[in-house]
Amino acid sequence: KAGVTQTPRYLIKTRGQQVTLSCSPISGHRSVSWYQQTPGQGLQFLFEYFSETQRNKGNFPGRFSGRQFSNSRSEMNVSTLELGDSALYLCASHRGSTNEKLFFGSGTQLSVL
Amino acid sequence: DQQVKQNSPSLSVQEGRISILNCDYTNSMFDYFLWYKKYPAEGPTFLISISSIKDKNEDGRFTVFLNKSAKHLSLHIVPSQPGDSAVYFCAASPYNQGGKLIFGQGTELSVKP
Repeated sequence: KAGVTQTPRYLIKTRGQQVTLSCSPISGHRSVSWYQQTPGQGLQFLFEYFSETQRNKGNFPGRFSGRQFSNSRSEMNVSTLELGDSALYLCASHRGSTNEKLFFGSGTQLSVL
Repeated sequence: DQQVKQNSPSLSVQEGRISILNCDYTNSMFDYFLWYKKYPAEGPTFLISISSIKDKNEDGRFTVFLNKSAKHLSLHIVPSQPGDSAVYFCAASPYNQGGKLIFGQGTELSVKP
């Protein structure tokens, strides 16, 4: 069974640009969550999508958005990039119930110059 | 406000001995707890979890203990192996918010031969 797949693996952007990251969950998983990891703030929850609807949201500005497609694949978009958005962005999937472990992808390393 | 805390940034243990990693939380609405292992620039790998209705869960060399009254959990690794060297994250899930995990800051475990 294939794991969670994130593309691209690395990205370099400049301030003010926008970026779209992609995540394909494990087959059969209907929930996709996104996390940001930075050295200063650690691993922080961005948002969760379940059946194409945003089910949970973390404390990030509106520049961070996402969506989920009917095949459960998800994309995350960051507009008007800032230097502080440089981070490892991680996607995780699970079937969608409570008290389930989340399976993480390898992440997209975003550098904003 | 750090709802999940891992107060030890690092831990060094001799091969074959026990490793004990600790985690404290403040939110009594957390009802599911997980431990993940992580290498730099990779996604976290699930190790073991525990529901708030239990006080212990074992899986091979890994045991997690939960003390709800103290809002404290710990991960025991016995015996420790050099391959266990990584950063370990404690995570908690709020009630009925399956895709949302609140992570601690991590403890870097080094197992020396």
